[in-house]
Amino acid sequence: DVKVTQSSRYLVKRTGEKVFLECVQDMDHENMFWYRQDPGLGLRLIYFSYDVKMKEKGDIPEGYSVSREKKERFSLILESASTNQTSMYLCASRPGEGTQYFGPGTRLLVL
Amino acid sequence: GENVEQHPSTLSVQEGDSAVIKCTYSDSASNYFPWYKQELGKRPQLIIDIRSNVGEKKDQRIAVTLNKTAKHFSLHITETQPEDSAVYFCAASKANQGGKLIFGQGTELSVKP
Repeated sequence: DVKVTQSSRYLVKRTGEKVFLECVQDMDHENMFWYRQDPGLGLRLIYFSYDVKMKEKGDIPEGYSVSREKKERFSLILESASTNQTSMYLCASRPGEGTQYFGPGTRLLVL
Repeated sequence: GENVEQHPSTLSVQEGDSAVIKCTYSDSASNYFPWYKQELGKRPQLIIDIRSNVGEKKDQRIAVTLNKTAKHFSLHITETQPEDSAVYFCAASKANQGGKLIFGQGTELSVKP
């Protein structure tokens, strides 16, 4: 059974803080993704990675960076959190062109 | 750029009725079309998918149809039940793109008992 886990379900941070969101998958998937989900805006792709140390910008990369040092782990970094980054963050992984699996999500509140 | 349009944004049906959600895609090279269901407070989960070499796929009460010429695909849910209430997302992807899925905006389906 595929498992995608995220380090926190809920997170509260202050404006200007550096924030790390971690995602781990246990199925050796090549591709990993970070989305943010806001009411009425669907799933918006922030960054994705198709291999270790490789990364590609998605639709809304501004204000974010990512790191993929190991195949199973994909980190999303908010260098200086702002209130407009308050959102639900969903990680996902996908084996090649197979089924994509989502993590449980991290609800981030930036005060 | 690549785009997936999904309609309607909200859909309300009576229990037992059918529900249809439609998506159109812009990139004719797209070859994989999954549908995800997201219940309130939960993660999106795959409910059915179809590849471009197939025109229709069915799994119990849900079915997906694909019209490659018109570049649109649809989700059909028959005999709807209250537990079908959720947000549904369609998506499309093509080969050699790092596995990236292009998602539609989502449809909030409400099934009234």
